[in-house]
Amino acid sequence: DTGVSQDPRHKITKRGQNVTFRCDPISEHNRLYWYRQTLGQGPEFLTYFQNEAQLEKSRLLSDRFSAERPKGSFSTLEIQRTEQGDSAMYLCASSPHDRPEYYGYTFGSGTRLTVV
Amino acid sequence: TQLLEQSPQFLSIQEGENLTVYCNSSSVFSSLQWYRQEPGEGPVLLVTVVTGGEVKKLKRLTFQFGDARKDSSLHITAAQPGDTGLYLCAAYPVSWEIIFGKGTRLHILP
Repeated sequence: DTGVSQDPRHKITKRGQNVTFRCDPISEHNRLYWYRQTLGQGPEFLTYFQNEAQLEKSRLLSDRFSAERPKGSFSTLEIQRTEQGDSAMYLCASSPHDRPEYYGYTFGSGTRLTVV
Repeated sequence: TQLLEQSPQFLSIQEGENLTVYCNSSSVFSSLQWYRQEPGEGPVLLVTVVTGGEVKKLKRLTFQFGDARKDSSLHITAAQPGDTGLYLCAAYPVSWEIIFGKGTRLHILP
């Protein structure tokens, strides 16, 4: 068990470019989450998968954002036509239980995106 | 809107001192969690408190859930430089979404 892995750790991109991040959850965890954290704030919910089904999306997730978990294992988060306001830490988390309010999430180390 | 308000936002103290940080809400939650986050890393779960009035200890850290399940505190005894980090309280308005406070950034001076 190597924990939740995210790739890349850092990404610098020019405004208007597309970027894609990958998350590999803990293998037996069927729930996968994406969060975004900006400086001085706690993480904010973006989207949630149970197995391969994307069950919830935040209103923060504009049309430029899309997430997939094609085989219920790894997940990708793509941002199209990046804007400077997209600069943030993108965190992936996973959990094995349907009661994370008791057992919590395991977070990855995040992908730090800088849009210039 | 359900919010978690944490105080203080920043705290810098000498090694060996005691400290308490707070997490408050106007909403009642079934549980509340504390996470610690170090620079460039994701949050790591420290504890979950479930019952009103519950007290949990993790070595020098003592966590308390308020009787009405709206607030929580974290007390650190004899702080050490290794305690430095961002402490986040978190709750679940629904089972698939955590809401986090803005955190307390703690710096322990050696």
